[in-house]
Amino acid sequence: AQRVTQPEKLLSVFKGAPVELKCNYSYSGSPELFWYVQYSRQRLQLLLRHISRESIKGFTADLNKGETSFHLKKPFAQEEDSAMYYCALGSHGYSSASKIIFGSGTRLSIRP
Amino acid sequence: NAGVTQTPKFQVLKTGQSMTLQCAQDMNHEYMSWYRQDPGMGLRLIHYSVGAGITDQGEVPNGYNVSRSTTEDFPLRLLSAAPSQTSVYFCASSSVQGVGTDTQYFGPGTRLTVL
Repeated sequence: AQRVTQPEKLLSVFKGAPVELKCNYSYSGSPELFWYVQYSRQRLQLLLRHISRESIKGFTADLNKGETSFHLKKPFAQEEDSAMYYCALGSHGYSSASKIIFGSGTRLSIRP
Repeated sequence: NAGVTQTPKFQVLKTGQSMTLQCAQDMNHEYMSWYRQDPGMGLRLIHYSVGAGITDQGEVPNGYNVSRSTTEDFPLRLLSAAPSQTSVYFCASSSVQGVGTDTQYFGPGTRLTVL
């Protein structure tokens, strides 16, 4: 069964400090991992996906299949990073079994 | 493109009432899904569809029905509302090219309160 775990409900760091939002997953197949972000009064939107291997707004995330993790990192937090972050897991392939599930989310609060 | 639209934005129901939450997308996406967002529980998948005429249950399907008669629309029906269904509901869609792997586009959400 697919499962996504985000152990931290709230993460508060000072501006300029490093940020790491944890995400662990459970899936027997070939996983596709995503990070979505929801800023205040805005729609949920994609931040990054592991297959792209890109850095968005200074954030990066590396898929570690050995540890089944996909932690989101940023070396220097900015106040505009304050938001709700969700890790998501999709199953590869086109079938009725394909679906995307989300973790419980981590609220990131950046203190000035 | 309007993207993913949802109606209504807000709704208050009494226990036992029925209603349909509407969701439409104009991106020709095959994959559509419904989530509910509750504090501390994140987004939980209710139902999803990989194309017209095909639907499947997600993590929390009880109390909800869906149908997919067209590619564009994916309504969510509450047959007999219960207070436990008080939540914010999000509809999302993505392309079929990589179902389960492609970017999902979300609607603005419907805030439902069941008294």
